[in-house]
Amino acid sequence: DIQMTQSPSTLSTSVGDRVTITCRASQSISGWLAWYQQKPGKAPRLLIYKASSLQSGVPSRFSGSGSGTEFTLTISSLQPDDFATYFCQQYSGYPLTFGGGTKVEIK
Amino acid sequence: EVQLVESGGGLVQPGGSLRLSCAASGFTFSDHYMDWVRRAPGKGMEWVGRSRNKANSYSREYAASVKGRFTISRDDSQNSLYLQMNSLETEDTAVYYCVRSDSSGYCTFWGQGTLVTVSS
Repeated sequence: DIQMTQSPSTLSTSVGDRVTITCRASQSISGWLAWYQQKPGKAPRLLIYKASSLQSGVPSRFSGSGSGTEFTLTISSLQPDDFATYFCQQYSGYPLTFGGGTKVEIK
Repeated sequence: EVQLVESGGGLVQPGGSLRLSCAASGFTFSDHYMDWVRRAPGKGMEWVGRSRNKANSYSREYAASVKGRFTISRDDSQNSLYLQMNSLETEDTAVYYCVRSDSSGYCTFWGQGTLVTVSS
């Protein structure tokens, strides 16, 4: 199975900050990576697919980059609505696997 | 508006069975791959399995942890997805999400989830 490792697990930050979250795959997944946002008690929401493609309706302050084994999700200027947990997912092969998540909290 | 509404969760004893349902609306259900994904308490998301669409013969994939115990089925006429869970173990305790997926593999829309608790 492809293991997905996210870092950091928690990020204490402030409104307006630039935020970067990293996801590493245990083997190359090319660009077959998605990012999701989840708030407590809510369904996850797709943000980014194919490593860098922005899902329709997602604000442009979210961006994704990377290929192979290392990927990043960047929030250019954190907004109050962005405090949430973010997780990555590889879909290069079965079983589909997810990162452990990064909780972005208020400093 | 796309909606996925799970039901059927609850408390079940180890070794027991449970059937989850997912009612879909707001999109052409028969065109889409559908997945079940779960999150155990304090853990990350775990993919459970997939039902491909009619064009791909409704073929299915399962995680090793549930293969032989869980069965995914769908009824396109009812816009519904199901997860039959047998021989349940305490490790199966989780919130189970119904997910619409792109044919390439990523999850495009998630339901709110239903809680399954396996305990004596």
